[in-house]
This record gives sequence, C-alpha cells and structure tokens, in this order.
Amino acid sequence: QQQVRQSPQSLTVWEGETAILNCSYENSAFDYFPWYQQFPGEGPALLISILSVSNKKEDGRFTIFFNKREKKLSLHIADSQPGDSATYFCAASPIASSSFSKLVFGQGTSLSVVP
Amino acid sequence: EAAVTQSPRSKVAVTGGKVTLSCHQTNNHDYMYWYRQDTGHGLRLIHYSYVADSTEKGDIPDGYKASRPSQENFSLILELASLSQTAVYFCASSDNYAEQFFGPGTRLTVL
Repeated sequence: QQQVRQSPQSLTVWEGETAILNCSYENSAFDYFPWYQQFPGEGPALLISILSVSNKKEDGRFTIFFNKREKKLSLHIADSQPGDSATYFCAASPIASSSFSKLVFGQGTSLSVVP
Repeated sequence: EAAVTQSPRSKVAVTGGKVTLSCHQTNNHDYMYWYRQDTGHGLRLIHYSYVADSTEKGDIPDGYKASRPSQENFSLILELASLSQTAVYFCASSDNYAEQFFGPGTRLTVL
C-alpha cells in the first residue's frame, strides 16, 4: 500500500522552465512533508519542507504548495538549471509528541533539465 | 567531512550467505535508520533505533536484523541473503523530526 504517491515518475524540462513535481498522500495524520533531493551515487539530502499548518513554503527557486483538504502538495522549481537534474522524493510523517521521525517516502520523480 | 559513513560501499554476496552492512555517524544523533531503495519503490524503512542497545522494526523488517552497539554505530545484518535483497541500502541519522542525514549508500548484489 503506497501511502505517498508521486507523479510523474520522470520529467524533462528545458533550462529556465519551471518544473512541477506532484505528491499526494492518504494518511490524515501526516503533518510534516519534506522533499529530499538525490543525485546519482549519493544519499538523499533535505531540500525543503513544509508543515500542514502552512499552504506555501519558499526557499529560493524552490516552492512547496500544500492543499490539506485534497491531501496534495507540489514542488515547483523555478528557472530550472541542469544542476537540478536529480531524483526528488516527497515524504511525510506525523510529528506527534516525540522527536522521532518515521518518514514514509514516495517512489520519487526523476528530473532532467536540458540545456 | 561526511557525518554518516557506510561500509562497504558495494558488496557481492552469495545466496544463503551472511552479510553485515555497517554505518557510523558523527552527528551525535540519537536516532538511526536503515532503508532500502529499489527502483519504483523509493526508500522503505527496515529497522531503526533511538538508543544504543535497542532496535525497532520498521515497515519491511523480514529477513533483516539490526544492531546498535553504541550511539555512533548501527549495523544491518542479513543472516541468509536472498536474491530479493539485492538493492541499495541507506543509513540515516536524526535528532528531531525535521531532518534525516543520509549516508552515501551500499549497493548490495546477491547472486
């Protein structure tokens, strides 16, 4: 059972375009949503995250849009650069009262930015 | 300087053999995790630990054991390796819900 789903599986955009990566989830208890970026041969690294109390989070060229009612979120990468070519994972977890982070990951979106 | 290291970086094992993957972190984090990554499945949690000498089952623990002998070290053990355990394995550490720090991964091939 895939609790976190991502689409598309792969995406190709031209340099300078905005790439849009989609994510949806099923568990209403999820309230923390990080996006991780992974380059080939490396481990994932946190890129940007959002809490369910917010509907938008920006960090430079990266923006998360969050719709709690529809259980959907998206990552927008503005002015895409070839260096952004990587796999992007959407993840989710309930924060609860502990500091433990049991993340559920989506299957990833492979982004290619063509010069 | 890498804060989460894994060894070996790649390994070829025979079916039925024992495999031990090691992870070391210098972040001083309490929580450590083992994930496996397969194409089309993202990362799935195998085992995790929040204190030395204690481990917990994750979402896909069958066929795996874990050991946390110290805060810094966390091992994943495959007692009887199988073909289906061919994957890339990642270790991670964290001290809160906000961010997990991943190692570079170990590519395991079981023949």
